[in-house]
Amino acid sequence: KAGVTQTPRYLIKTRGQQVTLSCSPISGHRSVSWYQQTPGQGLQFLFEYFSETQRNKGNFPGRFSGRQFSNSRSEMNVSTLELGDSALYLCASSANRGGNSPLHFGNGTRLTVT
Amino acid sequence: SQQGEEDPQALSIQEGENATMNCSYKTSINNLQWYRQNSGRGLVHLILIRSNEREKHSGRLRVTLDTSKKSSSLLITASRAADTASYFCATDGPDSNYQLIWGAGTKLIIKP
Repeated sequence: KAGVTQTPRYLIKTRGQQVTLSCSPISGHRSVSWYQQTPGQGLQFLFEYFSETQRNKGNFPGRFSGRQFSNSRSEMNVSTLELGDSALYLCASSANRGGNSPLHFGNGTRLTVT
Repeated sequence: SQQGEEDPQALSIQEGENATMNCSYKTSINNLQWYRQNSGRGLVHLILIRSNEREKHSGRLRVTLDTSKKSSSLLITASRAADTASYFCATDGPDSNYQLIWGAGTKLIIKP
């Protein structure tokens, strides 16, 4: 089985621009979660999608949004980029929701905002 | 919010020694998971332990769970250079609405 695939691997954007990150989950996994990881703040939960519906959302401004398609692939979008959005964005998929199913992570998208 | 807290924040040991990391949490849990992250990469699932379990093994890894103390420990025996990574615990509970709550991680360095 192919693992979780995140594209692109690296991205450099300037302040004010917007960005779209993509995540292809493991085949058959219906839950996709997104995390932001920075050295200072650790792993911060962004949102979770299951069956094309957002089920949970972390404490992030409305500039951060996402969606899930019928094939479970997911995208997240960040508009009006700020310097503080520079981070590693991780996507994870699991067969079911909740903590009784392990998360399978992609290798992330490293976003740098200049 | 961060429920899990790993202890210590950083640990440096010689290759071949055992490494122990601890995770404490605040509210009741259904499951506790441990993950490893090599520098700049995604996290890799190590072990899942349910609230009614006390100990689980996987290769050189041993995880214990003490729900009365709201804590878990991860023991890596006979450490290798490849074990150098950050280790995270994550919990979910009856009140977490399926959301995992993550600790800040322990950075483990294995010296050759």
